[in-house]
Formats: sequence, C-alpha cells, structure tokens
Amino acid sequence: GDSVTQMEGPVTLSEEAFLTINCTYTATGYPSLFWYVQYPGEGLQLLLKATKADDKGSNKGFEATYRKETTSFHLEKGSVQVSDSAVYFCALRDNDMRFGAGTRLTVKP
Amino acid sequence: DAGITQSPRHKVTETGTPVTLRCHQTENHRYMYWYRQDPGHGLRLIHYSYGVKDTDKGEVSDGYSVSRSKTEDFLLTLESATSSQTSVYFCAISESTGPYEQYFGPGTRLTVT
Repeated sequence: GDSVTQMEGPVTLSEEAFLTINCTYTATGYPSLFWYVQYPGEGLQLLLKATKADDKGSNKGFEATYRKETTSFHLEKGSVQVSDSAVYFCALRDNDMRFGAGTRLTVKP
Repeated sequence: DAGITQSPRHKVTETGTPVTLRCHQTENHRYMYWYRQDPGHGLRLIHYSYGVKDTDKGEVSDGYSVSRSKTEDFLLTLESATSSQTSVYFCAISESTGPYEQYFGPGTRLTVT
C-alpha cells in the first residue's frame, strides 16, 4: 500500500542554518503531496502542497519539489529561525491520506 | 485558519466509562476524520465520514464508534474506555474535490486511568 518515509529526528540546528528534511513515498497512483507542521500543544497545520510531478510548493520560506523520478518531496528552508522549532510531517493523498512519522526540529539561538 | 473546534480539550476518565468527543466545523466540508496521535505511532486514522450519516472505519477503529447527524458535527465515542485509549485525538476536515488536503482541529488530550 501507499506509505511515506521521512528522516528520523530529532534535528537540531543553529539559527540561520539550512534545513533539509527528507521525505520519500511509495504510491500506486499519482498522489498529491503535503508538508504539515505541528507546534507544541496544537494540531497539524498545512505548510505546503504539490499536486503533480515537478510542482514546487512553498510557504513561509519553506519549499518542497515533487520529484516523481526519485519519489521524493524533501522539505527545505534556507535560513531557519527559533520559531520554526516544531514537528514536521510529510503526507500523501492517493486513495486516502498517509502521514510520515514526523521529524522534530529544534532551532537554537 | 479553518474553523474547527474540538471539545473537550482535556479529559480524564476512568477505565470502563463511555466517553464522547465532539468535533465541530464551520467550513461546510463534506469529509471529516478522527485520528489519534501517539508517540512512536504518528497519526492513525480511527474513523471518517464522507457525508451526513455516512461513515467508515479507519485502521484503528476497534473500541470506537462515530456518528454524524449534521454536516458540522462529528462525534467520536469510546464505548468503554481503556488505558490503551489514552492519547491525543485530532479531528480533521477536507473538501470533496482534490487535492483533498486536510485541516486539523486543536486536539483533545484524553487520559484513561
């Protein structure tokens, strides 16, 4: 069945460092791909999305490109801030929604 | 932010008691979902609804039931709560057209003692 694999955390970075969180997927169809962010004590918030191959989703300085050839949707940000500390979830939607296990990011001043 | 509220936000209950969690939306979205989130397991789908009185099971539905009598409300009932149902429960909604991104409520932290 469909599945999402994302890099295990936790990830700890210094402020202004470059962020990459890897996400790969397995799907039988042509899924839509998503990144969600969860701050402590809150629900998941949609961060960005891409619906077809080569689409780039972007929001708040975060980007991810839908790579069909490598079945990947890696999340990147050029310069992280302390306020980006959260748990990030990669997800796909084909017949149903599948979430990765989440990657905890801590950004230190 | 999508208009989704959950009640209660926190609850402590005893083993064997029934518990009902409520999800309310103001977005008029067709689809509604209940998930549980546990360390080491990520998000797991319990039940979902694709319309009023139309529901189906997710991957961890045992011990749970749902009802949807109005578009805006989706209730999750733990028929006889057990300690293994201690978790954080999230409601989500999505539209009936693609790409079906889901929008989440703030969650309910349930502790079964």
